[in-house]
Order: sequence, then structure tokens, then C-alpha cells
Amino acid sequence: AQRVTQPEKLLSVFKGAPVELKCNYSYSGSPELFWYVQYSRQRLQLLLRHISRESIKGFTADLNKGETSFHLKKPFAQEEDSAMYYCALSPSRGNAGNMLTFGGGTRLMVKP
Amino acid sequence: KAGVTQTPRYLIKTRGQQVTLSCSPISGHRSVSWYQQTPGQGLQFLFEYFSETQRNKGNFPGRFSGRQFSNSRSEMNVSTLELGDSALYLCASHRNTDTQYFGPGTRLTVL
Repeated sequence: AQRVTQPEKLLSVFKGAPVELKCNYSYSGSPELFWYVQYSRQRLQLLLRHISRESIKGFTADLNKGETSFHLKKPFAQEEDSAMYYCALSPSRGNAGNMLTFGGGTRLMVKP
Repeated sequence: KAGVTQTPRYLIKTRGQQVTLSCSPISGHRSVSWYQQTPGQGLQFLFEYFSETQRNKGNFPGRFSGRQFSNSRSEMNVSTLELGDSALYLCASHRNTDTQYFGPGTRLTVL
């Protein structure tokens, strides 16, 4: 069975500080990994996915298969980054790839 | 392009009743997935529909069911409601295995 763990429920940093939101997963195969974000009073939206290898809003995430991790990083946090962040996994096998398994989420608070 | 819409946004029901929630996907998207979000269990996958057929199913009892219509709109139904069914129900639309776009959710309260 697949599982996603986000060990921190709350992460509080000052503006300009580096941010790392941790995500660990367990899956017997090669999964697809995602980060979703939910800003206050907005709907859940995709931030980035590992196969895209792109940086969105200054955030990056590297899939480490050896450590089964997909940590989200940003070198300099901004107040507008304050939100709820969810790490998610989907099987990469065909149509089963639409079954997202989410972690419990990490609330990021960026203080001025 | 209009986003995913869900109706109603809020619902209050009593134990034993049944409820139907509706989801209208983004135009051109043929897949709709449903998720349940609770404080205790987080976001959990319920089921996915593609071209009017259930393609994937999560680990929920048979009281939870759904369907999809020819215009890709989807409904989910929960019968014999229990207190534990109180949750935010999210639907997401997508083109097959592409990015999932979420709706605002329906908040169900079971009394």
C-alpha cells in the first residue's frame, strides 16, 4: 500500500529565511509525486510535480528514490507563501495514476 | 475557462438520511475524481469516473457511490449517513492522467 508522510504539521519561518517542507513516501514501484497548495479561502491547486522538473514561485522539489523523499524547498520565504501544503503520490501505472494519496499536510506560516 | 463547480456548497443532514453531491468539471475534461477531507483522516481518495465508468475506487464502504453522465458531470451519493461522514467532499476534474483541478468542495455536516 502507498503512504505519504509529512512529519511537520506546522512550520513557522521568518520572511527571507529558507524553507524546507518534508515529504516521505512508501510505494513499491516508481510513483509520481506532487505538491499541492491551498492558500486561505482558495481551492486546492497543483504547485509542482516531479516529472516537470520546474520551479514554481521559487519552489523546487527533488525526488530522492533512495531516501523515498520529495522535500519542497525555497531559498527565501515570502509572506505570500503562507498556506497549507500537501504532498501527494500517484501510481505511475496507466489509469491508476489518477488515484492521489495525500500526506497530512504542513501549514507554512511566514512571519514578517 | 470556468473552473470546477460543486453544488451545494453546504449541507446539513441527519443520521440515516442520504445525500447527493454534484460536480461539474472543466469543459473538455472527461475524468472526475472525488476525495473526502476530514481533520482526522486528511484527504482520502473515494473514486474516479471516466467516460461514465468508474475506473478507480478507494477504500470506502458501499454506502458511498457515484456516477458520471454523458456531459462528464458527476454525482456522488452517500446513503444511510453516519456522524463520521461529516467532511469536506472535493471533486477534481482532469484530462485522463493529467493535472487534477479541484473544486471548492461541499461541506457536509451530519447531525
